[in-house]
Amino acid sequence: GEDVEQSLFLSVREGDSSVINCTYTDSSSTYLYWYKQEPGAGLQLLTYIFSNMDMKQDQRLTVLLNKKDKHLSLRIADTQTGDSAIYFCAESIGGYNKLIFGAGTRLAVHP
Amino acid sequence: EAGVAQSPRYKIIEKRQSVAFWCNPISGHATLYWYQQILGQGPKLLIQFQNNGVVDDSQLPKDRFSAERLKGVDSTLKIQPAKLEDSAVYLCASSSRGAGAYEQYFGPGTRLTVT
Repeated sequence: GEDVEQSLFLSVREGDSSVINCTYTDSSSTYLYWYKQEPGAGLQLLTYIFSNMDMKQDQRLTVLLNKKDKHLSLRIADTQTGDSAIYFCAESIGGYNKLIFGAGTRLAVHP
Repeated sequence: EAGVAQSPRYKIIEKRQSVAFWCNPISGHATLYWYQQILGQGPKLLIQFQNNGVVDDSQLPKDRFSAERLKGVDSTLKIQPAKLEDSAVYLCASSSRGAGAYEQYFGPGTRLTVT
C-alpha cells in the first residue's frame, strides 16, 4: 500500500536543531522528498534523496534515510524563526514519479 | 525563471455550482500535476499529464471533475457540480522529464470554499 506517516507537531527553541521524522511503506520508492509550506503558500521543494543513499547534506539541512526500516528524517541545524512552517515528507512511486505525501509536521520555533 | 502560475487564488461558490481553475506550468516542463489539499492533510494527486496526455487519473472523481491540457502547456481543472467536500486548496505542479530526480515545482494554489 501507499502510506506516508509523520508526527503532527514539533516545537523547538531558536538556535537548536530540529529533527522531523517520516515513515513510508513503498519499498520501491525511487526518491524521497521534503517540502516546506508556509501559511497561504504553495509547497517549496527543500531537498530530496535517492533511495540508494543513506545521507544527504545541503547547508543547514541533513536528510537521513534508513531504507531497511523505511524511515526518513530531516534535520535542520540552528533552527530560526523563519523555519516555522509545515514540513511534508513525500515518496515517489511508479515510472511517472507520482508523489504520496504525509499529513505534514508543523514546526514551531520559539525564542 | 518564472514559477508555476495559478488563477484565481481564491474562489467561493455554492454547492452544485461549477468552477474552473487555470494553471500555467514552468516553461518547458513536460509534466503537469493537479493536487487537492484538504485542510490539515497532505496534497493528494488528482491527475497527471505528460505533455497533453493523461498518465494517471486514478484518484480523480470523474463524475464531477475534469481536466485538460491542450497543446501540452497550460491546463484547466473543472468541477461540476461542486460539493461541500470539495472545499480545499487545489495545487498545480510541474516538472521537467530530464535525467535525475523529477523535481516538482508547485504554484501558490487556488483556495476553493463551497458553501
